[in-house]
Amino acid sequence: AQSVTQLGSHVSVSEGALVLLRCNYSSSVPPYLFWYVQYPNQGLQLLLKYTSAATLVKGINGFEAEFKKSETSFHLTKPSAHMSDAAEYFCAVSDTGGGNKLTFGTGTQLKVEL
Amino acid sequence: GAVVSQHPSWVICKSGTSVKIECRSLDFQATTMFWYRQFPKQSLMLMATSNEGSKATYEQGVEKDKFLINHASLTLSTLTVTSAHPEDSSFYICSASPGTASEYGYTFGSGTRLTVV
Repeated sequence: AQSVTQLGSHVSVSEGALVLLRCNYSSSVPPYLFWYVQYPNQGLQLLLKYTSAATLVKGINGFEAEFKKSETSFHLTKPSAHMSDAAEYFCAVSDTGGGNKLTFGTGTQLKVEL
Repeated sequence: GAVVSQHPSWVICKSGTSVKIECRSLDFQATTMFWYRQFPKQSLMLMATSNEGSKATYEQGVEKDKFLINHASLTLSTLTVTSAHPEDSSFYICSASPGTASEYGYTFGSGTRLTVV
């Protein structure tokens, strides 16, 4: 079975500050890992994905994430937060066996303050 | 590319009635689509995997007779909530991928807010 754990259901940063959203995974096989963003009453938008290529993955809107196998982590970062980054962020894992099922973390609500 | 359209965006229905939600892949064919349910301020819970031309695969604990899924074409999957009750009120989201997860990831619809009164 695979799972992801997102530490911190709420994260608050100042505009211009570093954003760090934590995600740790558990998987019996090499995983695919994803970060999605959700704005209120909307679907999910893919920020980036790790699929066993480069361990440092760059996504949209200035976000990036690094896959660290030794730490079973896939933390999401952005050097400088913008007000428009305020949203719910979900980490998700999918197995590489072709099942294509996504298992989501519990989400982290990012608040950006002036 | 890879757009998934979901309709309606929101719906209010009376208790005991049925509601149909549509999920369409607009610019690709999807043999598989996924249906999720999201409670307020919670994560997404996979309800079922919709397979074109065959029966859907339901996750444990999901009532297949209450949540009817039909995937009659390569671009359309529907979720029908039958005999809806207030506890069925939730945010329902579908997703699909134009290819492998490693290459394309998953694209999500904009969701449907169901309120049963």
